[in-house]
Amino acid sequence: AQSVTQPDIHITVSEGASLELRCNYSYGATPYLFWYVQSPGQGLQLLLKYFSGDTLVQGIKGFEAEFKRSQSSFNLRKPSVHWSDAAEYFCAVEGPTSYGKLTFGQGTILTVHP
Amino acid sequence: NAGVTQTPKFRVLKTGQSMTLLCAQDMNHEYMYWYRQDPGMGLRLIHYSVGEGTTAKGEVPDGYNVSRLKKQNFLLGLESAAPSQTSVYFCATEGLAGVREQFFGPGTRLTVL
Repeated sequence: AQSVTQPDIHITVSEGASLELRCNYSYGATPYLFWYVQSPGQGLQLLLKYFSGDTLVQGIKGFEAEFKRSQSSFNLRKPSVHWSDAAEYFCAVEGPTSYGKLTFGQGTILTVHP
Repeated sequence: NAGVTQTPKFRVLKTGQSMTLLCAQDMNHEYMYWYRQDPGMGLRLIHYSVGEGTTAKGEVPDGYNVSRLKKQNFLLGLESAAPSQTSVYFCATEGLAGVREQFFGPGTRLTVL
């Protein structure tokens, strides 16, 4: 069975600092990988996704993620965090033939200090 | 365009009561999903539908039923609510053609006493 682990439950950074959120997955082959963001009281919004090809993918709001097959990781990064980035971030995986059946990680809550 | 809407936004039930959550979409998407979100557990798939008239079980289907009589609506029912079903419920939709992006509603916060 596929699974996703986000080791950090809560991360606090200062505005302007760089950010890296960790995601590790377990799957028999290379799954499709996603990062979603949830602002307080809102539904989730897709930040970026990886299917194949270039292992560094760019998303919305200045986020990027790097797929590392050898480490089964798909970490999310942003070079300079803005106060509006405070939210909860979810990593998710989907089997290439399991259309739409996402498995989510536990989530990482990001707090941004001014 | 409203996108994905959910009704109601909040609800408090007593154990044993029943209710139906409504998800409506105006995006003409084929796929629709119901998730529940619990602290520290991320989102878990309850049921999903790949088109009008079809439904299938997800990861945590017990205690829930669903129906998709119209393409734009996906209903989630709790026949006899239990405190373990206290959660935030999200509906999501997804179109075809391999885009692989789910669009989420704002959620329904359900408390079962």
